[in-house]
Amino acid sequence: DAKTTQPPSMDCAEGRAANLPCNHSTISGNEYVYWYRQIHSQGPQYIIHGLKNNETNEMASLIITEDRKSSTLILPHATLRDTAVYYCIGSWGKFQFGAGTQVVVTP
Amino acid sequence: NAGVTQTPKFRVLKTGQSMTLLCAQDMNHEYMYWYRQDPGMGLRLIHYSVGEGTTAKGEVPDGYNVSRLKKQNFLLGLESAAPSQTSVYFCASRGLLLSYEQYFGPGTRLTVT
Repeated sequence: DAKTTQPPSMDCAEGRAANLPCNHSTISGNEYVYWYRQIHSQGPQYIIHGLKNNETNEMASLIITEDRKSSTLILPHATLRDTAVYYCIGSWGKFQFGAGTQVVVTP
Repeated sequence: NAGVTQTPKFRVLKTGQSMTLLCAQDMNHEYMYWYRQDPGMGLRLIHYSVGEGTTAKGEVPDGYNVSRLKKQNFLLGLESAAPSQTSVYFCASRGLLLSYEQYFGPGTRLTVT
């Protein structure tokens, strides 16, 4: 699995877009980039994943740089319920989580 | 579908006791995982399995054993519990293809006194 680096924390105003960066410079060609979030002490929740192309679903958008060394998760209109720890993972199957980014959405 | 279930939800052990945590999935997934999460920290991979009858070590395997005798079940054993193993344990499963995501269970909160 690729080693990933994320900022430890970030704040976001409710209703604004939240842009969460992730560096994965050691990612290999067959490793997907996955994003999960964990709200309080619940099990992690899948958000989105991608290989090379940008992806969008009902929760978020994922922008992957052309060289695949970094990516950005975009929450288009953050709500208070988006307050959570967000994890970026580069994996072919082992799925090793790092420390993640604590996102706090404020009113 | 129940998804991924974990048994028990809570447990208190004394140092030196043994126990087994059960993870079950009904999605016919090939991969299964065991993680631990200590307060204020991210998840750390203990062991994982890429199919029935197989197991592999993760980041923090010491003090734990696992078995995958049936495809739908992944057991995590603590032979001699230590206070350092006090943690929340999460199980996850996923399908075979590289593009498939993980599904997580609700967690087991274990305290070793």
